[in-house]
Amino acid sequence: SQQGEEDPQALSIQEGENATMNCSYKTSINNLQWYRQNSGRGLVHLILIRSNEREKHSGRLRVTLDTSKKSSSLLITASRAADTASYFCATDLLNNNDMRFGAGTRLTVKP
Amino acid sequence: DAGVIQSPRHEVTEMGQEVTLRCKPISGHNSLFWYRQTMMRGLELLIYFNNNVPIDDSGMPEDRFSAKMPNASFSTLKIQPSEPRDSAVYFCASSKSGTGNQPQHFGDGTRLSIL
Repeated sequence: SQQGEEDPQALSIQEGENATMNCSYKTSINNLQWYRQNSGRGLVHLILIRSNEREKHSGRLRVTLDTSKKSSSLLITASRAADTASYFCATDLLNNNDMRFGAGTRLTVKP
Repeated sequence: DAGVIQSPRHEVTEMGQEVTLRCKPISGHNSLFWYRQTMMRGLELLIYFNNNVPIDDSGMPEDRFSAKMPNASFSTLKIQPSEPRDSAVYFCASSKSGTGNQPQHFGDGTRLSIL
């Protein structure tokens, strides 16, 4: 069963704009990860954030985690057409180590 | 370094036939995961292995599905007999540990169509 839920389901922006995707989950977690999936390919890991961390950066990516609200956000700054993909959050539950993925946000960046 | 390798990339077969999907994890990774992805249900964890031992198979849909990991460098997911509702993309992933504090590395999947 899915643990995380991404919001919005789909997002369309112009190149150069920022894209923000949100993930909410139901039960306490150890870690939360964000992945990207290009059409016809497997998922690629982007960032892992631990439950005791509040923010992490990697290049143009910024991830925040609010454990009190059970939510995370992924911000992509200065988006490019090549950022067009689906983005998934994945959580591992506090008492169960396997990962559960959300339904994903489909991001389209128009050139 | 080679990533996770899955074969075949595409499989089309008639219902009732046996289907075997194969996966070679990244060398040195001791955890392996099988997922199924469909539009309706998203990405579902079917089973995962740690050090070649199945840890959680609660996601396996029914007895028609079975998975094995005879050694650290090979795993199979078998469907027998196959049904049209099994049509999906099946992904294999590996990681350095079975806990969520390690990223998972995915193969490019097997697109399975059961006619």
